[in-house]
Amino acid sequence: ETAVFQTPNYHVTQVGNEVSFNCKQTLGHDTMYWYKQDSKKLLKIMFSYNNKQLIVNETVPRRFSPQSSDKAHLNLRIKSVEPEDSAVYLCASSLGGYYAEQFFGPGTRLTVL
Amino acid sequence: GEKVEQHESTLSVREGDSAVINCTYTDTASSYFPWYKQEAGKGLHFVIDIRSNVDRKQSQRLIVLLDKKAKRFSLHITATQPEDSAIYFCAASPSNNNNAPRFGAGTKLTVKP
Repeated sequence: ETAVFQTPNYHVTQVGNEVSFNCKQTLGHDTMYWYKQDSKKLLKIMFSYNNKQLIVNETVPRRFSPQSSDKAHLNLRIKSVEPEDSAVYLCASSLGGYYAEQFFGPGTRLTVL
Repeated sequence: GEKVEQHESTLSVREGDSAVINCTYTDTASSYFPWYKQEAGKGLHFVIDIRSNVDRKQSQRLIVLLDKKAKRFSLHITATQPEDSAIYFCAASPSNNNNAPRFGAGTKLTVKP
């Protein structure tokens, strides 16, 4: 099966803890993304990774960091979570950069207590 | 940077009627405009896109119109069905290929039987 896979589906943690979310795509795409979707369904691009070039949205707090081992994987690490980090984190991939349709994973729902 | 505004936050139509969702963008050099659908509890799913070299594109019951002069694009869903009910997101890709697409806030479409 070719798709975008995310683990875990959901995660509950306490303020100050570190969390990591995994994303893997088996579509052979060369660009991957992380989005944050808040409770109002607003989508905010956090990171994109294309041809070994990492593009960071400058509004993303420094406690967030992407980790990529190869072009099929782009993980997300949050060093010390805050209550406002509670959201759904969506991973996506595309072929040929930013002018192509994106394929999204099912998302990871993070709840910070 | 690019800003995308999605004008209808909610839209309700009767089955069989047409639904129209409108978006505007700010970057005159944006050239790629995809649309995505999100069903409850799922990630986004690509539905249709349009590039700036055309002003109309149709795929079955979906029509996308692009007015570059007005910096406006719209999604028309004809002969709506209950399974069209979802949140629809428009997006625009800035001309700078170092930036991922920016998304609108989403329109929740309800198709009533």
